[in-house]
Amino acid sequence: DQQVKQNSPSLSVQEGRISILNCDYTNSMFDYFLWYKKYPAEGPTFLISISSIKDKNEDGRFTVFLNKSAKHLSLHIVPSQPGDSAVYFCAASPRRGGGADGLTFGKGTHLIIQP
Amino acid sequence: DVKVTQSSRYLVKRTGEKVFLECVQDMDHENMFWYRQDPGLGLRLIYFSYDVKMKEKGDIPEGYSVSREKKERFSLILESASTNQTSMYLCASIRYSNTEAFFGQGTRLTVV
Repeated sequence: DQQVKQNSPSLSVQEGRISILNCDYTNSMFDYFLWYKKYPAEGPTFLISISSIKDKNEDGRFTVFLNKSAKHLSLHIVPSQPGDSAVYFCAASPRRGGGADGLTFGKGTHLIIQP
Repeated sequence: DVKVTQSSRYLVKRTGEKVFLECVQDMDHENMFWYRQDPGLGLRLIYFSYDVKMKEKGDIPEGYSVSREKKERFSLILESASTNQTSMYLCASIRYSNTEAFFGQGTRLTVV
């Protein structure tokens, strides 16, 4: 049973436009949500996070939106740049520190920025 | 900056070998994790440790064991490597009071 779902395996966006990556979750115990970026043959790099008490968090070009009632979050990247081409993972956790459940990850979305 | 270092970037091992993957973090984090990443499956948790000598199974612990003798070091052990353990292995650490996990660069293990 997949608790964190990224339904788009890939997404192609033109350079300079907005990239929107989506993520759905089923476990209502999740309180913390994170986005990671991963290049091939490298470990994931933390991008941005949000807790369930907020509905929006911004950091530079990256904004994460959380809709708790819909159990949905999205990552907006504006403007998209060639270096943003990577696989993006959505992750969720019911508590700080990860705990025995760790972070639960989606399967990832491969973002391709077209020149 | 937090640094999580995995001992090898690439490894090739034979079926039946005992394999050790080492991970060291330099930020005094309490919690450490081992994940594996496979195409189309995302990251799956193998084992978690919240203190020295303490461990808990994750989602896919079969065929693996772990060791944490020092706070900064967390080792993943493949007791008898099999071809279905060919994968990218990722170590992560996190402070118990935080939400953001830091990952190592990954070890691409091939079992032949």
